Amino acid sequence: GEDVEQSLFLSVREGDSSVINCTYTDSSSTYLYWYKQEPGAGLQLLTYIFSNMDMKQDQRLTVLLNKKDKHLSLRIADTQTGDSAIYFCAERNDYKLSFGAGTTVTVRA
Amino acid sequence: DSGVTQTPKHLITATGQRVTLRCSPRSGDLSVYWYQQSLDQGLQFLIQYYNGEERAKGNILERFSAQQFPDLHSELNLSSLELGDSALYFCASSTTGVGYTFGSGTRLTVV
Repeated sequence: GEDVEQSLFLSVREGDSSVINCTYTDSSSTYLYWYKQEPGAGLQLLTYIFSNMDMKQDQRLTVLLNKKDKHLSLRIADTQTGDSAIYFCAERNDYKLSFGAGTTVTVRA
Repeated sequence: DSGVTQTPKHLITATGQRVTLRCSPRSGDLSVYWYQQSLDQGLQFLIQYYNGEERAKGNILERFSAQQFPDLHSELNLSSLELGDSALYFCASSTTGVGYTFGSGTRLTVV
C-alpha cells in the first residue's frame, strides 16, 4: 500500500539544523523525494534519493534513508528564515508520486 | 520559473459549472501528471498521460476528465462542480520518471 507519514510542525531557531522525518510503507519504492512549498507557490523539488543509497548530500541539505525501517529524513544545516515553508516527503510508485501531509517548518529569530 | 506553465492561476466559478485547466509541460517532457491539493485530502494524484496516452489513474472523480494533445500540452476538465472541488490543482511533467517538475498551480474556488 501507499502511505507516507510526516510530523506536521517543526519550529527551529535561525542558524540551527532542522531535521524533518518521514516514514513510508511501500518497500518497492525506487525513489524518494523532498519537495518545498512556500505560501501561495507551487512545489519545488529540493532533492531525491535512489532507494539503493543511504545518504545524499547537496549543499545545506542531507537526506538519510533507512530502507529497513522505511524511514527518510531531511536535514537542513544553518536554517535560514527563507527556509520557512511546508516540506513534503514523497515516494514513487509506478511512476506517480504519493505525498505525505507536509511538515510546516517555522524559523524563529 | 519551473518550465511547467499552468493557466489560469486563479478561477472562481459557481456550483454546477464546468471549467478547463491547462498545462504546458517543460520542453522535452513527455509525461504530464495532475494532482489536487486540498486542506482535508492533501496532495492527491489524479491522472497521468504519456505522449498522448492515458497511463495511470488515481483518485479522479468521474466528473473529471483529462487529455494530452499532440503538442503535449494537457487539459483537465472539471464538470458539475461542487463546493468540495475547491482546491489547488497542480500539473507536473517528467521525461525520465525520476525528476518531476511542478507548475505553480491553478487555484479553483467554487462558490
